[in-house]
Amino acid sequence: DSGVTQTPKHLITATGQRVTLRCSPRSGDLSVYWYQQSLDQGLQFLIQYYNGEERAKGNILERFSAQQFPDLHSELNLSSLELGDSALYFCASSVGLAGSTGELFFGEGSRLTVL
Amino acid sequence: GQQLNQSPQSMFIQEGEDVSMNCTSSSIFNTWLWYKQDPGEGPVLLIALYKAGELTSNGRLTAQFGITRKDSFLNISASIPSDVGIYFCAGQLGSNYQLIWGAGTKLIIKP
Repeated sequence: DSGVTQTPKHLITATGQRVTLRCSPRSGDLSVYWYQQSLDQGLQFLIQYYNGEERAKGNILERFSAQQFPDLHSELNLSSLELGDSALYFCASSVGLAGSTGELFFGEGSRLTVL
Repeated sequence: GQQLNQSPQSMFIQEGEDVSMNCTSSSIFNTWLWYKQDPGEGPVLLIALYKAGELTSNGRLTAQFGITRKDSFLNISASIPSDVGIYFCAGQLGSNYQLIWGAGTKLIIKP
C-alpha cells in the first residue's frame, strides 16, 4: 500500500460526459502528479501541483483540468469525453517540491472507460 | 523534447533466466530510476541511482548509472513468476526535477 488513495477505481461513462477523479496523497506529501496510461502504453505526464499551486504541465488536453485543495487532495476533471480518453489515470505524490529524489508514490489508478 | 529510449519493448523468458533491459538518451541525466508496475497496480520504485557509474543492487535486481550519464541498465537474475510486469526507467534532468519516462519493458514468463 503506497498510501496514495484514488477514487473511483473504475468508471464507465459515455462520450461527451464529464467526470472527476479524486486523489488523496500520502500523509505529509505536498506534491501531486497526474499521469495517463492508455492500454499497453507508457506513462504520460499530465500535470503536477505543489502545495496547492500548479508546478508543471505535460501533455494535458484543454478539456482536462486539475486542482489541488488546501487539504492537499487533488481532483482531475475530464470533460467532453471522447473514446480515446479511455485509460488508466494515476495519481502520484512525493515529499518534496518536485520529487527531488525522483521517488514518486503511485496510487492504484482510476480506470476510465468511455463508451 | 527529451526522450528516453527503453529496450526491449517486451521480453518472453523462461523462469530462472536472467533478464537485461536498458534505457538510453541523447541527454545527460542527474538521476536514473527504475520502477515496476505489477498488473492492475501503480508503478513502484525499485532502484534509484544518483551518481555516474553507480551500481546498486536490490535483491536479485542490479542497476547501473552509465558513466556518460546518458544511459542505465537493469538486470534481473534468476527470474521468478512474480517478476512479470512492466519495468519503466525514468530520469531527471538538471535542476527542474521533472521525470522523463521510458516507454516500458513488458516482462512475460513463458509457462
